[in-house]
Amino acid sequence: DGGITQSPKYLFRKEGQNVTLSCEQNLNHDAMYWYRQDPGQGLRLIYYSQIVNDFQKGDIAEGYSVSREKKESFPLTVTSAQKNPTAFYLCASSISGASYNEQFFGPGTRLTVL
Amino acid sequence: RKEVEQDPGPFNVPEGATVAFNCTYSNSASQSFFWYRQDCRKEPKLLMSVYSSGNEDGRFTAQLNRASQYISLLIRDSKLSDSATYLCVVPGRAGSYQLTFGKGTKLSVIP
Repeated sequence: DGGITQSPKYLFRKEGQNVTLSCEQNLNHDAMYWYRQDPGQGLRLIYYSQIVNDFQKGDIAEGYSVSREKKESFPLTVTSAQKNPTAFYLCASSISGASYNEQFFGPGTRLTVL
Repeated sequence: RKEVEQDPGPFNVPEGATVAFNCTYSNSASQSFFWYRQDCRKEPKLLMSVYSSGNEDGRFTAQLNRASQYISLLIRDSKLSDSATYLCVVPGRAGSYQLTFGKGTKLSVIP
């Protein structure tokens, strides 16, 4: 089955620690995205990548970093510089980065900072 | 006008009712729009794409009004399983490859 997987589903982190969230897709999509969702809020774009070895900052990139070494993978690192990292993190992909392409989402990772 | 704006609801409707949600957007050059459905604590899933004046899929109809810059989602014969939050999604700022997600409208279908 083609799709997007994210791991882990739940993640707990102590303050001051970096943590990496995994996102893998086997849809052969060129574009991948990371969003953050807070309760009662819309999705906010953290980073996106239109092609391997290239990525751009979204609206709230501070305190986050990404890499895109393979087409299938787009891991997100939440660094200790992120002031309020507790949130629901969603990874998505689309055939290309054009805005007329729908995005498909993974099941998400819930990060809680203790 | 905000990039995308939705009535947060909640809309509480009885089974079998017809319900409509509106969504307004600011980028007049937008060509494509989407409605996503998000269940509680789950990921958003694509419900419908809207590329021209509208789209229909079974009980669901999406309409686009470019002059007034809004899109609507109509659900006929509501089912209990339609209870979810419905996200309106529009292209981002001009020249951007991004999508902008609305905060969503919550629907509860009551037995």
